[in-house]
Amino acid sequence: DGGITQSPKYLFRKEGQNVTLSCEQNLNHDAMYWYRQDPGQGLRLIYYSQIVNDFQKGDIAEGYSVSREKKESFPLTVTSAQKNPTAFYLCASSLGTGSGTGELFFGEGSRLTVL
Amino acid sequence: AQSVAQPEDQVNVAEGNPLTVKCTYSVSGNPYLFWYVQYPNRGLQFLLKYITGDNLVKGSYGFEAEFNKSQTSFHLKKPSALVSDSALYFCAVRDKQTGANNLFFGTGTRLTVIP
Repeated sequence: DGGITQSPKYLFRKEGQNVTLSCEQNLNHDAMYWYRQDPGQGLRLIYYSQIVNDFQKGDIAEGYSVSREKKESFPLTVTSAQKNPTAFYLCASSLGTGSGTGELFFGEGSRLTVL
Repeated sequence: AQSVAQPEDQVNVAEGNPLTVKCTYSVSGNPYLFWYVQYPNRGLQFLLKYITGDNLVKGSYGFEAEFNKSQTSFHLKKPSALVSDSALYFCAVRDKQTGANNLFFGTGTRLTVIP
């Protein structure tokens, strides 16, 4: 079945450690996204990529980094510079710019807790 | 700038009664509008979208939404609520004029259907 796979589902980290969240899609979508979800704040865009080897900052990119070396993969690294990293992280994908109507397909999310 | 407002954090409805979850939006051009549903510790699932044409859009699980351009609203509705509809609902918007496909989300409305 086509879809988006995020791993791990749950992750615990000590303060000062970097952590990488995995996101893989087999939908052949050009565009991929990372959102952060906090209670009462909805979803906020961290980074997005419309094509391999290119990505743009979203609204809350500070303390995060991404790479897009393959079309299928868009990993997110939460660095020690991120002041409040405990959150639920959602990866999504869509057809590329100019294709389709922008509907996003989401993974099941990764919950990061900093101890 | 694009934005979405969901004025109600919480909506309670009795099983079998009609339900409405409200959404208003702001974009500079014409909008693409979406509704998503989220169950606890899960990703977002697509319900329906408005792109163009008929203002009444029908989607998954018996949900529908009405696009009202003069009121800049896109309220989600269902004629008869089920207990299984209890979840967190997100409205999202994208401006057709922009190049990127990333969506702007509201803060979410928690729907509780009371048996």
